Amino acid sequence: GQNIDQPTEMTATEGAIVQINCTYQTSGFNGLFWYQQHAGEAPTFLSYNVLDGLEEKGRFSSFLSRSKGYSYLLLKELQMKDSASYLCAPFDGSARQLTFGSGTQLTVLP
Amino acid sequence: NAGVTQTPKFRVLKTGQSMTLLCAQDMNHEYMYWYRQDPGMGLRLIHYSVGEGTTAKGEVPDGYNVSRLKKQNFLLGLESAAPSQTSVYFCASSPEGWTSETQYFGPGTRLLVL
Repeated sequence: GQNIDQPTEMTATEGAIVQINCTYQTSGFNGLFWYQQHAGEAPTFLSYNVLDGLEEKGRFSSFLSRSKGYSYLLLKELQMKDSASYLCAPFDGSARQLTFGSGTQLTVLP
Repeated sequence: NAGVTQTPKFRVLKTGQSMTLLCAQDMNHEYMYWYRQDPGMGLRLIHYSVGEGTTAKGEVPDGYNVSRLKKQNFLLGLESAAPSQTSVYFCASSPEGWTSETQYFGPGTRLLVL
């Protein structure tokens, strides 16, 4: 099984930088996904880390440390539209399953 | 391409009624999944399929059945609905391949069981 821990809520100001942390304990680990989910909508893919280190994609970056069971999502130059829930999801390749955390609800204030 | 579609978008059932949720994808993906999402909780896997004609149980399979008779369709059935099955149901699909495990989600089905 997989235990996933991420903060329930975070608040930040438009234009700022925010880091959303995720820790996990897994029985089989082959990578970690981050998804964004706006209220009432389906999750959409943000990033996938399979190796340790930082993956940068525009305003969003994701970091993974497999030895520490730790990942973070970094959002720069926050915009109001970034207000959403961010889901951390370790991937178990042997079971071919994603397990999702409860999500971090980010509110961006003007 | 429509991607992943779900039917219906919203449904109200009475306890004990049955229904089938339909998921369809036009991306020729091998893998399909059914999740449920409840307030304050993450997405939980109900059942999944690794190819046409195959199904497997996920984390919370009780009270649900599934079928994958065609590669593009994955059906989720509730034989006797219970209030605990009130939830938002998401279908997802993904291509086979080690480096391409991105799951594409449908828009969701909101189910209320009274």
